[in-house]
Amino acid sequence: SQQGEEDPQALSIQEGENATMNCSYKTSINNLQWYRQNSGRGLVHLILIRSNEREKHSGRLRVTLDTSKKSSSLLITASRAADTASYFCATDARGTSYGKLTFGQGTILTVHP
Amino acid sequence: DTGVSQDPRHKITKRGQNVTFRCDPISEHNRLYWYRQTLGQGPEFLTYFQNEAQLEKSRLLSDRFSAERPKGSFSTLEIQRTEQGDSAMYLCASSLAAGDIEQFFGPGTRLTVL
Repeated sequence: SQQGEEDPQALSIQEGENATMNCSYKTSINNLQWYRQNSGRGLVHLILIRSNEREKHSGRLRVTLDTSKKSSSLLITASRAADTASYFCATDARGTSYGKLTFGQGTILTVHP
Repeated sequence: DTGVSQDPRHKITKRGQNVTFRCDPISEHNRLYWYRQTLGQGPEFLTYFQNEAQLEKSRLLSDRFSAERPKGSFSTLEIQRTEQGDSAMYLCASSLAAGDIEQFFGPGTRLTVL
């Protein structure tokens, strides 16, 4: 079963708007990662946040982590049509082999030009 | 291209046949992972290698599945006596040694079992 659960399952916005996706998980983690998957292509790593970090930025991406609530959010600012993709959170659970990622079901983001 | 490569990209087979997929990781990466992804779902962990040693296998990996990484470089995933439920995208990823680091994914092999 998937540990991470993304919300919403699908998100449709206009170019220039911000997109926020949420992820909840169940166990303690070493880190949480966000990946993007374009239609028919492999996953691309976006950002990694460690369990002792609360917020991280990378370009137009902002990730927050609340370990007390076991949740994370990914904010994409000033979205572009090229951001259209599926976004997955993946947790590296504490107490398991480092690097054994557990993915959520993903959020499908559609950005309309 | 120095990324993770997988071969073949697509495989169509009949139920009961054996199939083998290959993954070539990024050359300096000593960790290699296999995941399976079905339509509308996120990837699910199958197994991983540290150099040539297979360190963990998921319960998802039945006896019909076997993976090898004989020289610590490329890896193969074999499925024997394929079933329709094996139809999925098989993803390979690699990374440097364990820690808070990202994994680099290949394009995947899409398996269709008729």
